[in-house]
Formats: sequence, structure tokens, C-alpha cells
Amino acid sequence: EAGVTQSPTHLIKTRGQQATLRCSPISGHTSVYWYQQALGLGLQFLLWYDEGEERNRGNFPPRFSGRQFPNYSSELNVNALELEDSALYLCASIQGRGPAEAFFGQGTRLTVV
Amino acid sequence: TQLLEQSPQFLSIQEGENLTVYCNSSSVFSSLQWYRQEPGEGPVLLVTVVTGGEVKKLKRLTFQFGDARKDSSLHITAAQPGDTGLYLCAGPYSSASKIIFGSGTRLSIRP
Repeated sequence: EAGVTQSPTHLIKTRGQQATLRCSPISGHTSVYWYQQALGLGLQFLLWYDEGEERNRGNFPPRFSGRQFPNYSSELNVNALELEDSALYLCASIQGRGPAEAFFGQGTRLTVV
Repeated sequence: TQLLEQSPQFLSIQEGENLTVYCNSSSVFSSLQWYRQEPGEGPVLLVTVVTGGEVKKLKRLTFQFGDARKDSSLHITAAQPGDTGLYLCAGPYSSASKIIFGSGTRLSIRP
């Protein structure tokens, strides 16, 4: 069974540009969570999608947005990039039933210069 | 304010020693998960605890869920350098059903 895949693995952008990050969940999982992890810190909740809808979002500005497609894959968009957006962005896939066990991708390392 | 508080934040011990890290909350959780994350990679699920008072063992790792389901602990016996990493606890936050993570305990095992 394929795990969670994220692309790209690394992304370098300049300040003010837009970044698009992608995530494919485990087959059969309907929920996708996005987290931001700044270097050396913990995971900050960004967005939660389930069954194609945004269910909740964390304390981030509106320039962080995303969507979930009918095949449950997801996209995270960050507009007007700022230097402090540099971080590891992690996508987690959850089955949607039973204990909330998250399976993570390897992440996208976004560097804003 | 973190809903899940982990302690200690950092721990550096000698190989062969025992250690315990904690995950505490003032809220009740239906389940708690423990993850380990190595640098540059995503967290990997270690265990899920569901029942108050539950104890689960994974080789040298022992996980316990508090009776009131507000806290959990992870005990490692005879730590090895391969245990090095960031240990995170997480759980579904009941009011919004989103999954929240503690800030983690960064563990370093010296050979």
C-alpha cells in the first residue's frame, strides 16, 4: 500500500511569490491535514479537509489556502510569500473513522529567499 | 496556550539509561497518539492509547494513558542512539475534531 506522497520535496521561492504544495493521501483515507513546522519547532495546525470540504483552519492568515479534490488529494497554496513562511510543510492522511491516527508524508521543505 | 503540554522540551542522556517523557492536558481526549520524528522527515506513528489507564508496550517503549484520559507518558528502558528524535503526542481536540500536537520532546541519546 502506497503511503502519503508529497510534492515537491524541496521548493525555493522569492518573497512575494506564490507556492503550491501537493499531497496524495493513502488510498481509502478521506481526511487530509496540513501542518507547518518551522526549523526546530513543533507542528502548527494549518488546515483540515475531509470529503472535499474545509473543516477547520488554524491561526494562519488568509494567504494560506487550499483545497481537496474528488480523489481526496489536496493542494496547499501560499500567496505573497514572506521570509517567515520558510518551513517544512507536512501533510497527514487519516482514515476518517476510528482513532485519529495520522500518517505523514515526508514533507515539502519551502525556503523563501 | 498549548492544549497538549509536553515535558521536558529537551532531554539528553547516556546510552543505557532510562527516561520518561510526559504529555499533559486539562482536556479529556478520546485517544492519544505518540509519534517519533527524525530530522527532515514526517512523524511516524508509534502507538495509540484509547482506554483510561491503558498500558501499551513496544519493545523497550512503554506508553501509559492516564485514568482520566487527560495525560500520557512514554517510558524508554535502556535508551539507544537509535531512539534519538522528536517525540510528539497528539490527539483529536473534541470541540472541533481537529488533531492537535504537543510541542514535542527532543531526545538525544549519547553513545
